[in-house]
Amino acid sequence: KAGVTQTPRYLIKTRGQQVTLSCSPISGHRSVSWYQQTPGQGLQFLFEYFSETQRNKGNFPGRFSGRQFSNSRSEMNVSTLELGDSALYLCASSLNGAFGETQYFGPGTRLLVL
Amino acid sequence: AQTVTQSQPEMSVQEAETVTLSCTYDTSESNYYLFWYKQPPSRQMILVIRQEAYKQQNATENRFSVNFQKAAKSFSLKISDSQLGDTAMYFCAFITEKAASKLTFGTGTRLQVTL
Repeated sequence: KAGVTQTPRYLIKTRGQQVTLSCSPISGHRSVSWYQQTPGQGLQFLFEYFSETQRNKGNFPGRFSGRQFSNSRSEMNVSTLELGDSALYLCASSLNGAFGETQYFGPGTRLLVL
Repeated sequence: AQTVTQSQPEMSVQEAETVTLSCTYDTSESNYYLFWYKQPPSRQMILVIRQEAYKQQNATENRFSVNFQKAAKSFSLKISDSQLGDTAMYFCAFITEKAASKLTFGTGTRLQVTL
């Protein structure tokens, strides 16, 4: 089975721009969670999507949004980029996002905001 | 607040030796799972081992084992017979029943395995 894939792997943007990141879960997995990883804040939960609906949300501003398609692929969008948005963005998939299920991570998208 | 504390930012161990990484956590929930994830320099996060809070028996996966002390809220990872491929960042994390898809991570321990 193919693992979680994320595109693009690297991205450079300037302040004020917007960006869209993509995540394809493991085949059969319906839950996709997004995390932001920075040296200062560590790994922080952004949100989780299941069946095309946002089911859980972390403490991030509204500039961070996402969506999920019927094939469970998910996209994350960040509008009006700030320097502090520079980070590694990881997505993880699990079967149904149920308690106890293991989350499998993708390789991440490294975003640099200049 | 739900938190995970990893007090050892960096550790080093020689090949074939044993090393223990520390982790303490805090949650008011009674039902949760604990995890150790490994993030090698390639950046792909990989599950190492997991433990259900209601299981008293410590989990083991080949060379990896945990020491789960529920009352002390401690969840340490022991790596036996360390290998060069064990060099990575190790993150302790947990998930609760109320937020089943939200992993709460510690700040990580960077482990270097040397010859």
